Amino acid sequence: NAGVMQNPRHLVRRRGQEARLRCSPMKGHSHVYWYRQLPEEGLKFMVYLQKENIIDESGMPKERFSAEFPKEGPSILRIQQVVRGDSAAYFCASSPWGQRNQPQHFGDGTRLSIL
Amino acid sequence: GQQLNQSPQSMFIQEGEDVSMNCTSSSIFNTWLWYKQDPGEGPVLLIALYKAGELTSNGRLTAQFGITRKDSFLNISASIPSDVGIYFCAGQGQGSQGNLIFGKGTKLSVKP
Repeated sequence: NAGVMQNPRHLVRRRGQEARLRCSPMKGHSHVYWYRQLPEEGLKFMVYLQKENIIDESGMPKERFSAEFPKEGPSILRIQQVVRGDSAAYFCASSPWGQRNQPQHFGDGTRLSIL
Repeated sequence: GQQLNQSPQSMFIQEGEDVSMNCTSSSIFNTWLWYKQDPGEGPVLLIALYKAGELTSNGRLTAQFGITRKDSFLNISASIPSDVGIYFCAGQGQGSQGNLIFGKGTKLSVKP
């Protein structure tokens, strides 16, 4: 009865390094969403993926950020050459499919800290 | 872009009191969701609303999807200490492909 699993829970990187955040959706869910949360703020949408497809990446920064959801394995959010401003909590959510009436269920997030 | 205005930003209440918070938008939303987030954890879904005018309860929680489709409220009756946390409204706007827009949250603190 596993929910959305994210790892690592905490990640520390130095400026210029790469950060890889992983998300395994709930069993039976094929749609994944990534959100970013700054302290004292609500979640901000980044990207929406279906297996092997990016459906909506309108919230992704144009550079250094990428996401994938391969046929096998977890979804990955990748941040290259991290900067201090990338420090945030990154949450993944999943749903059975992407249409209306399918609420998104969230993981416990990855807290990314940039030194 | 579409935004949700959530109020109040924070509130302190006496245990046993009822709580009310709301979200408004200048544009129409097709879906309203209410989540609760505890420190260090992800948002947990409380109530999902899909039709204008819909009123839904989950235990002591009641939420409504406004008739204009531009607002929603969440009520908590007879609050208890474990109600402490941050409550977020979230919605799917027209034209959304699935992504949610979140309010900034209402931080609830209960005096025991």
